[in-house]
Amino acid sequence: DAMVIQNPRYQVTQFGKPVTLSCSQTLNHNVMYWYQQKSSQAPKLLFHYYDKDFNNEADTPDNFQSRRPNTSFCFLDIRSPGLGDAAMYLCATSRERGGVGTDTQYFGPGTRLTVL
Amino acid sequence: DAKTTQPPSMDCAEGRAANLPCNHSTISGNEYVYWYRQIHSQGPQYIIHGLKNNETNEMASLIITEDRKSSTLILPHATLRDTAVYYCIVIKAGTASKLTFGTGTRLQVTL
Repeated sequence: DAMVIQNPRYQVTQFGKPVTLSCSQTLNHNVMYWYQQKSSQAPKLLFHYYDKDFNNEADTPDNFQSRRPNTSFCFLDIRSPGLGDAAMYLCATSRERGGVGTDTQYFGPGTRLTVL
Repeated sequence: DAKTTQPPSMDCAEGRAANLPCNHSTISGNEYVYWYRQIHSQGPQYIIHGLKNNETNEMASLIITEDRKSSTLILPHATLRDTAVYYCIVIKAGTASKLTFGTGTRLQVTL
């Protein structure tokens, strides 16, 4: 059974056209994360939510924003995608944050974003 | 968090044990060693973690040296499905659960 679901799996957008990626979870976890993974690189954390508390990484561009309307859903908004934003976007969840064992992260399959 | 060093790639014959090393010479006392892997076109998957004792679960074993400066992930009977990039990550207990992925080891399991 899918636990972290990402839709769509593939998304194509045009340069500068806003796009939203979605993530949902059936684990009832408190924490949800968004990672960006460019080709042949390791995943890089953009931000995370602990419940409704939003935590941005210092080097995440302002072009990237996120919403978490409820426990189950989290969205990644890219306001004006550039060619350099083409990447795999990974959503992950963990039950808690900072507790050994309870902070194990469970990842979704990712959404591959293409910017034309 | 302590930095880690892993070989960029390794090969392993199917059915044999795969031993993936990781150096974390600057690890401090309250930092744990976590292993994740990423199969091609999938999200990363948690494998195992440990502090100082050896750990085993249904996926793998983790051997941590006595001085904790290095560790080895062991897949006892590698299969083709184990072909993936394996990431060794050191995380400080009690901090926000930020995973900082290094370059990892690309394990290729062959027939």
